[in-house]
Amino acid sequence: EAEVAQSPRYKITEKSQAVAFWCDPISGHATLYWYRQILGQGPELLVQFQDESVVDDSQLPKDRFSAERLKGVDSTLKIQPAELGDSAMYLCASSLGREGYEQYFGPGTRLTVT
Amino acid sequence: AQTVTQSQPEMSVQEAETVTLSCTYDTSESDYYLFWYKQPPSRQMILVIRQEAYKQQNATENRFSVNFQKAAKSFSLKISDSQLGDAAMYFCAYMSSAGGADGLTFGKGTHLIIQP
Repeated sequence: EAEVAQSPRYKITEKSQAVAFWCDPISGHATLYWYRQILGQGPELLVQFQDESVVDDSQLPKDRFSAERLKGVDSTLKIQPAELGDSAMYLCASSLGREGYEQYFGPGTRLTVT
Repeated sequence: AQTVTQSQPEMSVQEAETVTLSCTYDTSESDYYLFWYKQPPSRQMILVIRQEAYKQQNATENRFSVNFQKAAKSFSLKISDSQLGDAAMYFCAYMSSAGGADGLTFGKGTHLIIQP
């Protein structure tokens, strides 16, 4: 069964350093989402792509976060510089892009900023 | 902006019993989708059940069913014949149908414990 792939699974970095996460969605899924899940909370949307275009990045802290999906397939989320408050699980999800359809989630990247 | 509230941080149920998880939401939209997602420990989030707001009939998936009350903006999940594998965090989520941006808005989750 096809799954959303994410790497790395775990990342420890020092504050002020740069960090990047990678996501490979299920083949054929046009829509890709990045969520941030702080421990004990529900996920919060950071950015949504439709193919290579950003649909919604209203909750993305653009002073330090960036996201790209250059060829409309895999995607990278970057944080520079990382802050202590960025410690969280970063989840990637994908869907066929049709209204109301299920989003399939990857295993996430657990980021710890020290 | 839409909000989703799950008022039960933790619920416990005996194996084989029935449990209901509560969810309320706030929106000014008339058409939308509601979901329950399950997040087992150290595993990825998976869809449990989905409800279209324009459908009056409550969704059902095997042992899982919902009680959707649109006027009350309530969307509870009932798990019948609870099994040990049902132990997980359960998140209620809202999706707008206002075309384009359809990221999920999640509640804070309910931790479900199954007592053997």
